[in-house]
Amino acid sequence: EDQVTQSPEALRLQEGESSSLNCSYTVSGLRGLFWYRQDPGKGPEFLFTLYSAGEEKEKERLKATLTKKESFLHITAPKPEDSATYLCAVPRKAGTALIFGKGTTLSVSS
Amino acid sequence: DGGITQSPKYLFRKEGQNVTLSCEQNLNHDAMYWYRQDPGQGLRLIYYSQIVNDFQKGDIAEGYSVSREKKESFPLTVTSAQKNPTAFYLCASSIATDQPQHFGDGTRLSIL
Repeated sequence: EDQVTQSPEALRLQEGESSSLNCSYTVSGLRGLFWYRQDPGKGPEFLFTLYSAGEEKEKERLKATLTKKESFLHITAPKPEDSATYLCAVPRKAGTALIFGKGTTLSVSS
Repeated sequence: DGGITQSPKYLFRKEGQNVTLSCEQNLNHDAMYWYRQDPGQGLRLIYYSQIVNDFQKGDIAEGYSVSREKKESFPLTVTSAQKNPTAFYLCASSIATDQPQHFGDGTRLSIL
């Protein structure tokens, strides 16, 4: 069964304290992995696409990496405005739609 | 600016009533989707459409219906058969079903 698991469910950091979020998946024949950011009461905002193991993408303090079974979203020296829920998603085996993880809620305090 | 517009932002339903949530996109995307988001549940797929005049059930389609008469529009009706409709509903679109999806800002549905 296609499955996406994110950990931890929640993460509290101090401003400047770097950390990583994990997204593991069981879909065979991966055709891309997508990271999103969601603010409360808003729709998810697309961040990155990763297609092959070893690929990396960066945007400001965020860097996404991909292995054969999981992806990491590294947050370097986070600021309070980085507080949000981060979702990852992969295409289902049938290619019909994406399957989303439940997300990691990040809180960064100053 | 291109994007996805969902309306209304807040909606209230009475017992036994059907309500329709609007979703319009001007991104020229072929595929459109409806998700339901509950606390701790993540995004669950209700219906999706890969092309005009065609749509498929997702994981939790019972109590919902959709139509896709125009490329730009994909309305969702929450019927009285949906016994627990209180949730945050998100509409999305993409170029193809295995490509990144772009989301609207959601409709929050509550029961009176």
